[in-house]
Amino acid sequence: AQSVTQPDIHITVSEGASLELRCNYSYGATPYLFWYVQSPGQGLQLLLKYFSGDTLVQGIKGFEAEFKRSQSSFNLRKPSVHWSDAAEYFCAVVGRAAGNKLTFGGGTRVLVKP
Amino acid sequence: NAGVTQTPKFQVLKTGQSMTLQCAQDMNHEYMSWYRQDPGMGLRLIHYSVGAGITDQGEVPNGYNVSRSTTEDFPLRLLSAAPSQTSVYFCASSYSGQAIQETQYFGPGTRLLVL
Repeated sequence: AQSVTQPDIHITVSEGASLELRCNYSYGATPYLFWYVQSPGQGLQLLLKYFSGDTLVQGIKGFEAEFKRSQSSFNLRKPSVHWSDAAEYFCAVVGRAAGNKLTFGGGTRVLVKP
Repeated sequence: NAGVTQTPKFQVLKTGQSMTLQCAQDMNHEYMSWYRQDPGMGLRLIHYSVGAGITDQGEVPNGYNVSRSTTEDFPLRLLSAAPSQTSVYFCASSYSGQAIQETQYFGPGTRLLVL
């Protein structure tokens, strides 16, 4: 069965500093990987997704993620954080045999200090 | 397009009460699903539907019923609420549910408290 681990429950970062959120997955083959963001009181919004090809994926709001097969990781990065990036971030995976059923990680809550 | 809408936004129930969480989408999506979100556990799939008249169980279906009589609506029913069902519930939809690459669109959520 597929699974996703986000090791960091909370991360605090200063505005303007860089941000990296970790995501590790467990799946027998190459999965399809997603990052979603949930702003306070809102639903989830897709930031980016990886299916194949270039392992560095660009998303919305200046985010990018890198797929590393050897490490079973799909970490999310942003070079310079804005106060509006304070939110909860979820990594998710879909296996080829799982239809459209997403398996989510536990989430990482990002706090941005002025 | 309103996208995916959910009602109510917030609900308080007593143990044993029943209620229906509403979900509607206006994007003509075939695939709809319900998730619950609990702290530290991410979102877990409750039930899903690949089209009108077709539903199936997800990871945590116990205590919940669904039906899909129209493409637009996918209500989630709690027949006898329990405190363990206190959670935030999200509805999501995508075009067909057949292609893994499809983006799922999420509603704003319903926060449920069972006393």
